[in-house]
Amino acid sequence: DAGVIQSPRHEVTEMGQEVTLRCKPISGHDYLFWYRQTMMRGLELLIYFNNNVPIDDSGMPEDRFSAKMPNASFSTLKIQPSEPRDSAVYFCASSLDRVSEQYFGPGTRLTVT
Amino acid sequence: QQQVKQSPQSLIVQKGGIPIINCAYENTAFDYFPWYQQFPGKGPALLIAIRPDVSEKKEGRFTISFNKSAKQFSLHIMDSQPGDSATYFCAAFLTGTASKLTFGTGTRLQVTL
Repeated sequence: DAGVIQSPRHEVTEMGQEVTLRCKPISGHDYLFWYRQTMMRGLELLIYFNNNVPIDDSGMPEDRFSAKMPNASFSTLKIQPSEPRDSAVYFCASSLDRVSEQYFGPGTRLTVT
Repeated sequence: QQQVKQSPQSLIVQKGGIPIINCAYENTAFDYFPWYQQFPGKGPALLIAIRPDVSEKKEGRFTISFNKSAKQFSLHIMDSQPGDSATYFCAAFLTGTASKLTFGTGTRLQVTL
């Protein structure tokens, strides 16, 4: 298996622009997680899905952030409009079930200028 | 709210030394404590994990010590190697409820020759 796939790996955008990050979880995994990593706040869980349904989005910082999972093999995290403070590395992870190991993707490094 | 406190923030040891990374948690309901290892440009990967019904777990050169009464756990790396240079995250998990990992802030380990 190729593992969790994220795209793009790097994104540089200007403030105010819409940014869409993409994730393909490991096939057969029922849980998908979006994390944000910064030096100041470490790894933060933004949202997670079970069987394509959002379960907990309490970590989403504000309404500018939204996430969808239209099917079992694809999820997006969208930021609109983007701000410089959104600059971070965004990770997607998936797990087989609720208590199994979470496998992380390589991350998307987002820079908002 | 910081529910898992990790220290030190960074650590430099010589090859063969035994770096120790410490974590403390607040929520006594946590019942699964994994450690993740992250190399530059990569996502975190599960290294070793422990449940609170045991006081120690060893996997190769990596050992977790767990003190339930003190609500503390630590990672020891025996005979450390330059290839162990990475960022290490402790985490805590409530297996009985939502599938949310709470991460520590990370420890950047450098093993020198």
